[in-house]
Amino acid sequence: EVHLVESGGGLVQPGGSLKLSCAASGFPFSEFWMSWVRQAPGKGLEWVSNINGDGSTKYYVDSVKGRFSISRDNSKNLLFLEMTRLRADDTAVYFCAGTVITDNYWGRGTLVTVSS
Amino acid sequence: DVVMTQSPLSLSVSLGQPASISCRSSESLVYTDGTTFLNWFHQRPGQSPRRLIYRVSTRDSGVPDRFSGSGSGTEFTLKISRVEAEDVGIFYCMQGTHWPPITFGQGTRLEIE
Repeated sequence: EVHLVESGGGLVQPGGSLKLSCAASGFPFSEFWMSWVRQAPGKGLEWVSNINGDGSTKYYVDSVKGRFSISRDNSKNLLFLEMTRLRADDTAVYFCAGTVITDNYWGRGTLVTVSS
Repeated sequence: DVVMTQSPLSLSVSLGQPASISCRSSESLVYTDGTTFLNWFHQRPGQSPRRLIYRVSTRDSGVPDRFSGSGSGTEFTLKISRVEAEDVGIFYCMQGTHWPPITFGQGTRLEIE
């Protein structure tokens, strides 16, 4: 059975940092593109970043470029999102998701709240 | 960035009745190899999204055949032949042709009348 479990969310002050993790199991992790998608309270889905299977290719939405960094550890089936210089508009539930053509898996999300 | 526009933004449908959601992209979603990367997702209240359909019309494993996707170029449609109670939630279209960034529609909220 496939599992994606995010962790690391919480309350952080504006300008602060946080590192999210996503533990994957039940599928060939290293073969999947992995993504972070966020959802602000009461709002729609926003793609944040993704990374290819071997970690050599990474993309970001413009609003997080230079502040967020995606990475993965295929030996431990872990995906990460390092977030710095956090702003109030980064407040959201952050989902990790894994994709190949025929499969698409999502975690349950972890809430990040940026507030003083 | 490709803008995805859904309509309607909310839908109230009786059980057993059909429903249709439209998604329009600001530019053609046909990739250079001829593939169209248009997906549909469903998010039930309090849950994470689930992909229903990829590449316009291919249903994901386990998705009931009452869900169907169609369209081409910039105009796409998700149809539910007979709405069931478990379909309540928000439906999103998403394009993966011209990225980054991957972009989603605003979402269409489905409720039961």
